[in-house]
Amino acid sequence: VQLTQSGAEVRRPGASVKVSCKVSGYSLAELAIHWVRQAPGKGLDWMGAFDPEDGERIYAQKFQGRVTMTEDTSTDTAYMELSSLGSEDTAVYFCATGGGTIYMDVWGAGTAVIVS
Amino acid sequence: DIQMTQSPSSLSASVGDRVTITCRASQSISTYLNWYQLKPGRAPKLLIYVASTLQSGVPSRFSGGGSGTHFTLTISSLQPEDFATYYCQQSHTMPVTFGGGTRVDI
Repeated sequence: VQLTQSGAEVRRPGASVKVSCKVSGYSLAELAIHWVRQAPGKGLDWMGAFDPEDGERIYAQKFQGRVTMTEDTSTDTAYMELSSLGSEDTAVYFCATGGGTIYMDVWGAGTAVIVS
Repeated sequence: DIQMTQSPSSLSASVGDRVTITCRASQSISTYLNWYQLKPGRAPKLLIYVASTLQSGVPSRFSGGGSGTHFTLTISSLQPEDFATYYCQQSHTMPVTFGGGTRVDI
């Protein structure tokens, strides 16, 4: 499995951003996709995940209402959209998959999002 | 949410040293604990999953242990490429949560 993410984005405060994660070597329909971010100088922050086993999307409380994760199985591409951006959302956003919802052993290269 | 607390938050060590990082969960997570290595400008790398299983391709100097609420990551003989930040992560209960990280410096 390989994950290829979209390129860097710059947004104004209050705008939205949509990051894509293209799956190759496997079918997206069979993968749990997680989204994790790392702000400058900060740790890893799990945003949410889609579990294909039960079709459930789970979002971290701090992003509820601002984040939407979707999947296009026709193109094997997952998306993460974050709205009402603030400077605190400046970060590198990663998609990841692997051991279902248990662990993440395949990661995308990351997408830098700058809010300024 | 389950809180994950790592200690120390940073440490200085030398090549060849034995290093142990601790991760504590705010409630029992059985062995649903993973360890990742993060280097600047790179994606996280899975080292250990379900507490003690070494990910394929990861050197055997890395080992993990523990269950319940107390876990450890040990590097038996620190190598130059091991200077990085290490994170624990629980997957017992959603939402997934990470520890705050342990930075290993020269």
